Parts: sequence; structure tokens; C-alpha cells
Amino acid sequence: AQSVTQPDIHITVSEGASLELRCNYSYGATPYLFWYVQSPGQGLQLLLKYFSGDTLVQGIKGFEAEFKRSQSSFNLRKPSVHWSDAAEYFCAVGPGGYQKVTFGTGTKLQVIP
Amino acid sequence: NAGVTQTPKFQVLKTGQSMTLQCAQDMNHEYMSWYRQDPGMGLRLIHYSVGAGITDQGEVPNGYNVSRSTTEDFPLRLLSAAPSQTSVYFCASRSGELEQYFGPGTRLTVT
Repeated sequence: AQSVTQPDIHITVSEGASLELRCNYSYGATPYLFWYVQSPGQGLQLLLKYFSGDTLVQGIKGFEAEFKRSQSSFNLRKPSVHWSDAAEYFCAVGPGGYQKVTFGTGTKLQVIP
Repeated sequence: NAGVTQTPKFQVLKTGQSMTLQCAQDMNHEYMSWYRQDPGMGLRLIHYSVGAGITDQGEVPNGYNVSRSTTEDFPLRLLSAAPSQTSVYFCASRSGELEQYFGPGTRLTVT
């Protein structure tokens, strides 16, 4: 069965600092991987996705993620964090098609001035 | 396009009451699903549907029923609400392997 681990429940970074959110997955074949962001009181918005091809994926709002098969990881990065990035971030994995997508437990990002 | 819409946004129920959470999408997506979100638990799949007339259970289906009579609508029914069903409920839709689009959520409290 597929699974996702986000080891960091809560992360605090200073505005302007770089950010890396960790995501490890378990899946037998090449997975479909996603990062979503949820602002307080809102639904989830897709930041980026990986299906195949280039392992470095660019997303919206200046985010990127790198798929590393050898490490079963899909970490999210941003070179310079803005106060508006404070939110909860979810990594998700699925086999594609109409199969179920499994979400991680989320990482809450706090940005301090 | 309105995307995925959910009603109501907030609801308070007493234990044992029933209600239906509504979900509709106007993107002609085949796949629709219901999740519940609880602190520290992420999103857990309740039920999903791959097309009209086809539904299946997710991770936490107990206490919930669904039906899919049209492509657009995917209501979630609580037959006898329990305090353990206090949560935020999200409906989502997608087309095949593309990303899911989420509704704004329904915050349900069961007293």
C-alpha cells in the first residue's frame, strides 16, 4: 500500500530565508507526486506535481520540488520565503489514473519577520 | 467555471441527527471524492467515485454514505451523527491522472 511521511509537523523560518519541506513516500512503482498548500480556513491548492520526466519540478508561487527515486523523497523548496507563504503544506502520492491519492499529515509553516 | 462547490460552509448537529453535505463540480470530472481533515491526521479518504453510478469506500467510510447519480453531484450523507464525526470535510474532483481540485470545505460540529 502507498504511504506518505512528512516528518516535520511544524517549521518556523525567517522571512527571506530558504525553505525545504520533507516528504518521503512508499510506493512500488513510479508514483504520481503532488504538493498542495492550504491557507487557514481554505481548501487545498495544488503547488506542483510530478508524473514523469525531469525530476526537478517547478510550481506556482516560486516553489520547486525534486523527485529522488533512490531516497523515495519529493522535497519541496523555495529559495526565499515570504510572509504570505505561512500555511500548511501537504505532500500526496498516487499510482495515477483513477486510483486513490494518499496524503501526508501536513507540515505547518510559520514565517517570522 | 465555479469549480468545486460545497454547501453548507458550517453546520452544527446534535448526536443522532442526519444530514447531507452537498458537493458539485462543473468541470465534467469523472473522479470525485470526499475527505475529512482532522488535526495531525492530514486528509483521510472517506468515499470516492470514478463515475456516475460507481462508488467505493476509502480509508474511513463508517458512518457515511454516498451516491453518484450524475457526473456533477456527489453528496455525502451522515445517517446518525456522532461526536467523532466533528471535522472539516472536503470534496474534490479530478479528471484521470490530473491533479485534484478541492472545494472550500464544510466545518461540521456534532454535539
